[in-house]
Amino acid sequence: AQSVTQPDIHITVSEGASLELRCNYSYGATPYLFWYVQSPGQGLQLLLKYFSGDTLVQGIKGFEAEFKRSQSSFNLRKPSVHWSDAAEYFCAVGAVDTGRRALTFGSGTRLQVQP
Amino acid sequence: DVKVTQSSRYLVKRTGEKVFLECVQDMDHENMFWYRQDPGLGLRLIYFSYDVKMKEKGDIPEGYSVSREKKERFSLILESASTNQTSMYLCASSTPGTRITGELFFGEGSRLTVL
Repeated sequence: AQSVTQPDIHITVSEGASLELRCNYSYGATPYLFWYVQSPGQGLQLLLKYFSGDTLVQGIKGFEAEFKRSQSSFNLRKPSVHWSDAAEYFCAVGAVDTGRRALTFGSGTRLQVQP
Repeated sequence: DVKVTQSSRYLVKRTGEKVFLECVQDMDHENMFWYRQDPGLGLRLIYFSYDVKMKEKGDIPEGYSVSREKKERFSLILESASTNQTSMYLCASSTPGTRITGELFFGEGSRLTVL
């Protein structure tokens, strides 16, 4: 069974600073990988996804993520954080060969942005 | 745009009550999902449905049931609510396929408090 680990529960960065949120997955084959963002009181919105091909994926709101098979990681990055990026971020993995059509989510990382 | 609507944003129920959480999507998606979101645990899959009248258990189905009588509507039922079911419930939908080729589209969530 697939699993996702987000080692950082809470991260605080200053506005304008760079950001990296970590995500490690466990899955036997090439996974489908996603990053979602949840603003307070809202549902989840897709930031970006990786299925195959180029390992550096661009998403919305200036975010990008890099798939590193050797490290089983899919870290999310942004070069300059804005106050509106304060939210909770979830990494998720989808399985290809198990027939499970649902995504498995990590426990989330809450981002706080200081002025 | 895809729209997933959860009929109740906030509910307060008493222990032992029967609770219905309704979800409607307008994009003709075959797959629909119910997740439960708790702090520090991320999103956990309760049930999903890949067709009308079809359902499969997720990771935490105990104490829940579901109903999918129409393609656009997926209901989560708590037959006898308990305090440990106090949580945020998220509905999602996605396009079909034997592989996960698309993203999940989420509703805004239903926050249930059981007293």
